[in-house]
Amino acid sequence: GAVVSQHPSRVICKSGTSVKIECRSLDFQATTMFWYRQFPKQSLMLMATSNEGSKATYEQGVEKDKFLINHASLTLSTLTVTSAHPEDSSFYICSATRSQTDTQYFGPGTRLTVL
Amino acid sequence: QQQVKQSPQSLIVQKGGISIINCAYENTAFDYFPWYQQFPGKGPALLIAIRPDVSEKKEGRFTISFNKSAKQFSLHIMDSQPGDSATYFCAASMGYRGSTLGRLYFGRGTQLTVWP
Repeated sequence: GAVVSQHPSRVICKSGTSVKIECRSLDFQATTMFWYRQFPKQSLMLMATSNEGSKATYEQGVEKDKFLINHASLTLSTLTVTSAHPEDSSFYICSATRSQTDTQYFGPGTRLTVL
Repeated sequence: QQQVKQSPQSLIVQKGGISIINCAYENTAFDYFPWYQQFPGKGPALLIAIRPDVSEKKEGRFTISFNKSAKQFSLHIMDSQPGDSATYFCAASMGYRGSTLGRLYFGRGTQLTVWP
């Protein structure tokens, strides 16, 4: 099956610092990648959709200057949380789809804790 | 506005029993309906998916029933096992050809507990 990895799996940082999370499709080329955040016992909330080589499309209410998304290649997308604050603490999950398919493959998630 | 409504929020089933989770949608443009399983601290994993031209799909102990006219679909887990204890999410999308590039609209999730 298709494998999506995320790095790091856990990160703890101080308030005001920036954190970068990587999402990689290991055995397929991902034309579209999605970034979600999930709070405890809640559903996944889509933050943005990104296509390789173009700007990400952000969901309403998601600050694009705070959550920078770069989809530099067909196997790598990054999410940078800039000037992180405690309220940004959450579980961030990426997913990826192959060209002309509907199946989304999810990464294992990144637990961000901002002190 | 919740595009996909899921129930129940939590479900407790005896080992060997049948677990049933229901979802409903309004947008008739949806044409892809997957179910995901998520364990604590992990990303969701695709269990099974269906398209509207099929009324039922079975993979092992997991079956999706789809009612296009009622705009409802459900997941049945036969012979439920303690290892099935997890959170289950239904979802819907307009497909990669749609304007939203296959964006998934998720239900709120069902926490399933299977007692031994």
